[in-house]
This record gives sequence, structure tokens and C-alpha cells, in this order.
Amino acid sequence: EAQVTQNPRYLITVTGKKLTVTCSQNMNHEYMSWYRQDPGLGLRQIYYSMNVEVTDKGDVPEGYKVSRKEKRNFPLILESPSPNQTSLYFCASHRGGAYEQYFGPGTRLTVT
Amino acid sequence: LAKTTQPISMDSYEGQEVNITCSHNNIATNDYITWYQQFPSQGPRFIIQGYKTKVTNEVASLFIPADRKSSTLSLPRVSLSDTAVYYCLAAGLSGGSNYKLTFGKGTLLTVNP
Repeated sequence: EAQVTQNPRYLITVTGKKLTVTCSQNMNHEYMSWYRQDPGLGLRQIYYSMNVEVTDKGDVPEGYKVSRKEKRNFPLILESPSPNQTSLYFCASHRGGAYEQYFGPGTRLTVT
Repeated sequence: LAKTTQPISMDSYEGQEVNITCSHNNIATNDYITWYQQFPSQGPRFIIQGYKTKVTNEVASLFIPADRKSSTLSLPRVSLSDTAVYYCLAAGLSGGSNYKLTFGKGTLLTVNP
């Protein structure tokens, strides 16, 4: 089954404690993205990747890091989480040259 | 990447046809229009994509006039399960900076019994 998986689905952490949210897709897609969703603000793109070792900033990259060492994985790293990063995070992937993005189930992060 | 404008919310009743319009006045020549549907606490799901005229699939139709400055998503005979947020995007397929995507706030469609 074609899918994008994210782990963990729920995470409560404290300010400053480094964390990583994993994302994996099994569709051999070149392109992957991370989004955050907050009430009243819609979906905002954090980072995207066009292929292995190729990443670029989206609209709200501050406080986040990403890496793309393998085609299937695109982890989101919060080196020093802060309460304003409390949000619902989605990972997505799609083929090159097409915009049908496949989204993961989401990770709800709470930073206290 | 063209800026899009949609109504914040719409109300409908079961069995009606619903049309959601999206404005994209600055659409570029190589931009396609794509619509997504999102239920609460789930990731968005692709509905339909088009470049011009009319596109139809099993769940929706997409109407794009000749000037391409707007598009209309048409949902035939909606049911309660169509209550969701609908997002319109206008972006190119050529990659590069076009993958800096902005979904905006979307349109909350509420279908009433």
C-alpha cells in the first residue's frame, strides 16, 4: 500500500529538549515536504526536498532542520524546541513534475 | 507560485451541488490548479488538478475559464461526509522554487442534514 508514515503520532516534550520526527514514504517519490498546521493559519510549508541531499526552506523554516540522506526518509529535527512550535505537523511526498502530494497522518507536538 | 483567494466558509445541504470558487489573478503560464480536501486532524487529500477548461473525475469537477484567473471546484450531490476544508493551489510543475507551496487557509464546507 502506497503511504507516508510519520513517527511519533503524538509527542509531549519540554522546552530545549532536542527531538526528531521521522517521515518515510514507500512510493519512490523524489519530492518531500514538511508542513505545520495551526488554528486560523492553515498549512504552512517548513522545508522541502527535491531529492537526496537537496533541501530548501519553505515559508516558516526558523527553528527547524531537515536532512535527506535516503530517498524514502525525510526527518524533521527540532534542536531546541520552544512552546511556539506546538503544532500539528504533516509530512508529504510526490513525484517530480506532478503536484499530487501524499500526506502522512500527522504528528501532534506539544512543547511545554 | 500564484496567490489564491477562497471564501473562508460555505454552508450547504445534503444532496445539493456545491461550487467553491478560487481566485488566482496572478497565475503563471505554467501553473496548474490543484484542489485538496482535509478532514480534522488528517493530512490533506488530493482531489483534482487541471490546467484549463474542464476536468472531471469520480469525486469532483474542476472548471477553469479561458483567462485562468479563477477556478471552480464542483462537488455533486454532497453528503455529510463531505464536510471538510478545501484548499486551492496554483503552482507550476517544473520544480525549483515552485515547490515552495502555500496552502492558505482554505474553505470550510459544512454540509447540513
